[in-house]
Amino acid sequence: NAGVTQTPKFQVLKTGQSMTLQCAQDMNHNSMYWYRQDPGMGLRLIYYSASEGTTDKGEVPNGYNVSRLNKREFSLRLESAAPSQTSVYFCASSDRIAGAYTGELFFGEGSRLTVL
Amino acid sequence: EDQVTQSPEALRLQEGESSSLNCSYTVSGLRGLFWYRQDPGKGPEFLFTLYSAGEEKEKERLKATLTKKESFLHITAPKPEDSATYLCAVVWGGRRALTFGSGTRLQVQP
Repeated sequence: NAGVTQTPKFQVLKTGQSMTLQCAQDMNHNSMYWYRQDPGMGLRLIYYSASEGTTDKGEVPNGYNVSRLNKREFSLRLESAAPSQTSVYFCASSDRIAGAYTGELFFGEGSRLTVL
Repeated sequence: EDQVTQSPEALRLQEGESSSLNCSYTVSGLRGLFWYRQDPGKGPEFLFTLYSAGEEKEKERLKATLTKKESFLHITAPKPEDSATYLCAVVWGGRRALTFGSGTRLQVQP
């Protein structure tokens, strides 16, 4: 029972390079999220997808793009990486959007990105 | 302005020494407050949901309570395996995703 799977787990980029973080869930959840976690700042929402075919900006969307490829997959793209994007990125999913909601998100194990 | 503030940032306890973690929030129209546990190198894991002031939830040595301005996570007779970072999150107003605090790093020494 895999849950939420993120790839890659570790990545080192140079400033200006691009990359895509992949996320897939096998729980048939409607909603998916991308958060970043930095020391002392907690988890901050980058983008989310309430359902297949929709995406919305979170608190810190600048420098990122997302694609909800299908119900299972939600990818995060950095078009031109900057050192400020060095962080741990978490993908999460839930069975309903927060509007009528238990607050129970299922998280992946994270992708650790360093931008030099 | 901070909407979710957790204190203390770090807490070291001896095994069996009970204590409480605090999560204060400054949002309007709270719809839910949530506690998560995060082990090093792992993603957060859901613990509790609280919806209204006065509500309490328990799980093993953990008990979460909610008032109109804050929530407490009480840890009774902790064990070393309770060592983790505990995160608080809220959803409020018309928002459709959780907002997290920065967490309390708990270390329980044998």
